Amino acid sequence: EVQLVESGGGRVQPGGSLRLSCAASGFIFSSHWMYWVRQGPGKGLMWVARINSDGATTTYADSVKGRFTISRDDGKNTLHLHMSDLRADDTAVYFCARPRCASKSCGLQYWGQGTLATVSS
Amino acid sequence: SYVLTQPPSVSEAPGQTAKITCVGDGIGGKVVHWYRQRPGQAPVLVIYDDKDRPSGIPERFSGSNSGNTATLTISRVEAGDEADYYCQIWDGSSDLTVFGGGTKLTVL
Repeated sequence: EVQLVESGGGRVQPGGSLRLSCAASGFIFSSHWMYWVRQGPGKGLMWVARINSDGATTTYADSVKGRFTISRDDGKNTLHLHMSDLRADDTAVYFCARPRCASKSCGLQYWGQGTLATVSS
Repeated sequence: SYVLTQPPSVSEAPGQTAKITCVGDGIGGKVVHWYRQRPGQAPVLVIYDDKDRPSGIPERFSGSNSGNTATLTISRVEAGDEADYYCQIWDGSSDLTVFGGGTKLTVL
């Protein structure tokens, strides 16, 4: 059974940093693209970043580019999102997700339950 | 950047058919996926590749995509279908993943 479990959320002051993690199990982690998607309070889903299977290619939404870094540790089956220079509008539940197949155009079939990051003074 | 537009809300009586649209420039040439999200839960993929259903999703859920509009159709709507629904594509021109703004389906 595919499982994705996020951790690392919490409260941080504006301008601060936070590192989110997503522990994966039940599949060959190193074979799959992985994604971060967030949802602000009362808001819709917003794609944040994705990383390809070997970690060589990363892509970011314009609103987080230069501030967020997605990475993966295939030895620990873990996906990370390092967030820096955080703003109030980065406050959201952050989900990690895995597509159903090995392509950027594939739908996201597996999702974690999310971790809440709150940016507030 | 590419924009997907969904109606904020759709209402339908039990047993009827609900249609949720997702409008985007030339979306018919792109691959569309649909998600259902119940309050406090993670999204669930209900339609992928315009019209295919993952295992475990009822046949009542179907999808289509042509021209500038993709549509999620839910037949014989039930109370348990009440949720937020999101469309999503990968835009090859910008290499960005895009979600629509979401539609709240209310079962009357």
